[in-house]
Formats: sequence, structure tokens, C-alpha cells
Amino acid sequence: EDQVTQSPEALRLQEGESSSLNCSYTVSGLRGLFWYRQDPGKGPEFLFTLYSAGEEKEKERLKATLTKKESFLHITAPKPEDSATYLCAVQEERRDFGNEKLTFGTGTRLTIIP
Amino acid sequence: NAGVTQTPKFQVLKTGQSMTLQCAQDMNHEYMSWYRQDPGMGLRLIHYSVGAGITDQGEVPNGYNVSRSTTEDFPLRLLSAAPSQTSVYFCASSPVVSYGYTFGSGTRLTVV
Repeated sequence: EDQVTQSPEALRLQEGESSSLNCSYTVSGLRGLFWYRQDPGKGPEFLFTLYSAGEEKEKERLKATLTKKESFLHITAPKPEDSATYLCAVQEERRDFGNEKLTFGTGTRLTIIP
Repeated sequence: NAGVTQTPKFQVLKTGQSMTLQCAQDMNHEYMSWYRQDPGMGLRLIHYSVGAGITDQGEVPNGYNVSRSTTEDFPLRLLSAAPSQTSVYFCASSPVVSYGYTFGSGTRLTVV
């Protein structure tokens, strides 16, 4: 069974203080790893897809990296508007009908203090 | 482009009542999914569809039905509401799953 574990559960940073969020996963074969951002009362917003170990993607102050067992979301010099819950999800490589399923972690609630 | 539209935004049901949560997308996406989100449990897949006429069960399908008669619409039916179905429900769509899902704004359902 797919497992996705995110840490920490919550993180408070001062504005400008860089840090990383972790997503560890166990799947028999990874088709894709996804990062989403979710603001309170809203649906998740897609950020990145990573497909293979060693891959990196960047968007503004966010950079996502992938290894064979985990992914990191690095936040550089964050601003208060980066405050949100960040969700990680995996898509398993399967031969049957279930290729389209995503398994989500419980998220990291990030707060950036001005 | 409205994206993914969910209605209603809020709903209170009595135990045993039935209802349909509506989901519509105007992006011609083939893939659509329903998730529920509960505190401490993350998003869990209820049902999904890979195109009109094709649906399959997700992780927590019991008590829910879906159908996909058109590409645009993917309604979720609660057959006989139970307090355990109190949750926030999200509908999502994608042209290809690896491109990332677009989520609706959610329906907050309370069953009393």
C-alpha cells in the first residue's frame, strides 16, 4: 500500500528564514510526485510534478527536489504570503486501471511571521 | 474559463438523507476525481473517472456513487448520509494526471 509521510506537521519561520519541508514515500514504482499548496478554505493548487530521482523544479521562492525515497520542498527567503499548507502526493506506476490515483500526505502547515 | 465548479459550497444533512454534490469543468479534461479531506487524514480518494462512461473506486468509496455521462460533469451521490461523512469534499480534473489536477473550491458537508 502506498504511503506518503510529510514532516514537520507545522513550521513557523521568520520572514526571510529559509527552510525545507520533507515528503517521504513508499511505492513499488513511482510515476510522479506532486507538490500542492492549499490556502485555508480553498482547494489545493498545483505547484510541481517530479518524475525521477535527481530532478529539480523551481517556482519563485520554491524549489522541489526528488530522491528515490523522498522529496524536499525548499523555501528560500520566504514572505508572509507563502504561508499555507503544502501537500505532497504520489502516483504509482501500475499496469492496471489504477495508474491515475494520487495518494496524498497530510501536509505541512507553514506560517511565515513578518 | 470557470475551471472546476462545485455546488453547493455548504450543506447540512440529516442522517439518512440523500443528496448529490455537483462538479463541472469547462476545460475538456478527461480525468476527474472526488476527494474528501478530514483533519489529520489528508485527502482521500473516493471515486475517479478516466473519461465519459468510465469510473472506478478509490480508497473510501462506501456510501458514495458516481457516474460520468459527459466529459464536463462528475456528480457525487450520497445514498444515505451518515455523520461519518461529515467532511470537506473536493472535485478535481486533469487532462493528464502527471500535469497536475485542478481542484474546485470544495463543498463543506455536515451530517447531523
